[in-house]
Amino acid sequence: DIVLTQSPDSLAVSLGERATIDCKSSQTVFYNSNNKNYLAWYQQKPGQPPKLLFYWASNRESGVPDRFSGSGSGTDFTLTISSLQAEDVAVYYCQQYYSIPYTFGQGTKLEIK
Amino acid sequence: QVQLQESGPGLVKPSQTLSLTCTLSGGSISSGNYHWSWIRQPAGKGLEWIGRTSITEITNYTPSLQTRVTISLDTSKNQFSLRLSSVTAADTAVYYCAREWTHSGFGWFGPWGQGILVTVSS
Repeated sequence: DIVLTQSPDSLAVSLGERATIDCKSSQTVFYNSNNKNYLAWYQQKPGQPPKLLFYWASNRESGVPDRFSGSGSGTDFTLTISSLQAEDVAVYYCQQYYSIPYTFGQGTKLEIK
Repeated sequence: QVQLQESGPGLVKPSQTLSLTCTLSGGSISSGNYHWSWIRQPAGKGLEWIGRTSITEITNYTPSLQTRVTISLDTSKNQFSLRLSSVTAADTAVYYCAREWTHSGFGWFGPWGQGILVTVSS
């Protein structure tokens, strides 16, 4: 199974500041055949299901604010929130769909400092 | 827009079979290039993909649950279901159903159902 390790486990950032969450894969999730990274990011607020933020590592889902960005390739990926808003408080997960079984990172809890 | 809703018992006794159903509204479970997945989340913990099915009836399961799990599709009811046998307390979790956007056989999840808490206890 592909193991995804997120860092940090938790993060406190001041409103308006940048938040960065990393996701490292135990093996590449990049397919040479189509030049795509098989990685998604989700946001989960308390009491709610996860919500898709990015697929193909950097394709923003419709309706996701552009202060959110996804980057990286191969085994190393980053979710960045350029200017933290109060509504961004949540747990964030990465997920690989390179191979079955699909796996998720352990999650990163983002709070306001 | 497409919405998913889980239903089923919230309490299951140890050694019995957990059975959940996911009903799709706003779309057809038979259309498009999708798979239909179950994912679970123990309280305060992370997400675990359980398995998936599709209109082709080909299923995939996570290895740790493969001997106990069955996921099936009912196109006439626009539903798919999860059966997990021989449950223990370790199977207590919120269970989500989700649509997988499938590309080249694999994909990401969206939308998700609201989730249903299933507790395994006598």
